[in-house]
Amino acid sequence: AQSVAQPEDQVNVAEGNPLTVKCTYSVSGNPYLFWYVQYPNRGLQFLLKYITGDNLVKGSYGFEAEFNKSQTSFHLKKPSALVSDSALYFCAVRVPMDSNYQLIWGAGTKLIIKP
Amino acid sequence: EPEVTQTPSHQVTQMGQEVILRCVPISNHLYFYWYRQILGQKVEFLVSFYNNEISEKSEIFDDQFSVERPDGSNFTLKIRSTKLEDSAMYFCASSEHRDNSGNTIYFGEGSWLTVV
Repeated sequence: AQSVAQPEDQVNVAEGNPLTVKCTYSVSGNPYLFWYVQYPNRGLQFLLKYITGDNLVKGSYGFEAEFNKSQTSFHLKKPSALVSDSALYFCAVRVPMDSNYQLIWGAGTKLIIKP
Repeated sequence: EPEVTQTPSHQVTQMGQEVILRCVPISNHLYFYWYRQILGQKVEFLVSFYNNEISEKSEIFDDQFSVERPDGSNFTLKIRSTKLEDSAMYFCASSEHRDNSGNTIYFGEGSWLTVV
């Protein structure tokens, strides 16, 4: 079965430090990978995605993610964290050509950036 | 920037009552979805909709649920007889093309349903 794991429920980072939010996946086939962010009392906002090509993907708000096929990972990164980055981050996967068209979601990681 | 809009943002309903959650997808999008997130749990797929019919639905989307595109802009989710376990945040989403093209799915801000 397709699945996504976000091993950390919460990540704490000091403002200005680099941040990493981890995501690993288990799918049969080549995945499409997504990161979404959910700010308090807001919906799910698209950050970035990997479809094909360069393994390093750049997205909104200075975030980037690196697709690592051998480690089946798609960790979200940012070189210098801002307090405003504090939110809930979700990794999601979809397998093209799969008969199931929906996104499969990780449990989410709460990112807390401290001043 | 175009966005998916949802109403109401929060609804409290009594068990057994019917609920309709409304969504206006992004105007040039052709594929529409409902997802839900029970408090503290993962986001779950409910249903996808294209060309005025359901493309795919999950096990959650049983006979109590239905979707409709009553006009050219709205996309609704109806829960016929709500149960306590239907309490969740319901997200509407849309995409320009179907999922397996790698297209981005854009989400609304959610409708928080509380069944009492």
